[in-house]
Amino acid sequence: NAGVTQTPKFRILKIGQSMTLQCTQDMNHNYMYWYRQDPGMGLKLIYYSVGAGITDKGEVPNGYNVSRSTTEDFPLRLELAAPSQTSVYFCASSYSPGSYEQYFGPGTRLTVT
Amino acid sequence: GEDVEQSLFLSVREGDSSVINCTYTDSSSTYLYWYKQEPGAGLQLLTYIFSNMDMKQDQRLTVLLNKKDKHLSLRIADTQTGDSAIYFCAETPPGNQFYFGTGTSLTVIP
Repeated sequence: NAGVTQTPKFRILKIGQSMTLQCTQDMNHNYMYWYRQDPGMGLKLIYYSVGAGITDKGEVPNGYNVSRSTTEDFPLRLELAAPSQTSVYFCASSYSPGSYEQYFGPGTRLTVT
Repeated sequence: GEDVEQSLFLSVREGDSSVINCTYTDSSSTYLYWYKQEPGAGLQLLTYIFSNMDMKQDQRLTVLLNKKDKHLSLRIADTQTGDSAIYFCAETPPGNQFYFGTGTSLTVIP
């Protein structure tokens, strides 16, 4: 099993550009999550999904969109990138919300200049 | 959102014990977790404790839970240089979300 994979690993965007961060898991997990990690701030939940076709906002959803057309894939879309979106983005998945483990991808480091 | 708090930095000498502390907010959290993040990588589960337990030991790791004070700690015995990483505590109140702390960066001095 590859686990949770994310692409790209690094990206530099100009202000106002758009991009999609890809996330795929091969563990047949229903629950998937997108977090951003900023220094000294821990992880903040952007969006999550409890299954294909179902998504919901987390703590910091503004400026982002998601979709979940399949169990495996959970892409995160940034529209009109802003410097405040410079961060490291992690995708995670779990079997259930109260499950004792979330499996994390390796992260995408995004810089918006 | 929940505020899960941790100290940002901790330095210890190799061979000493490390204690990383966390305060969480929701007493209805079923599980409390410790995750480890090595440089340039995602988080990996280190250990967890069920909310009806006071203590859990797993080799060099000891987790203590004080539900009255909503305080969680992770003790690493005989700390090694390979333990240098960022450690996150997390709670799961009822619902679909995990809430992570700010992370404690542990530096082990040889």
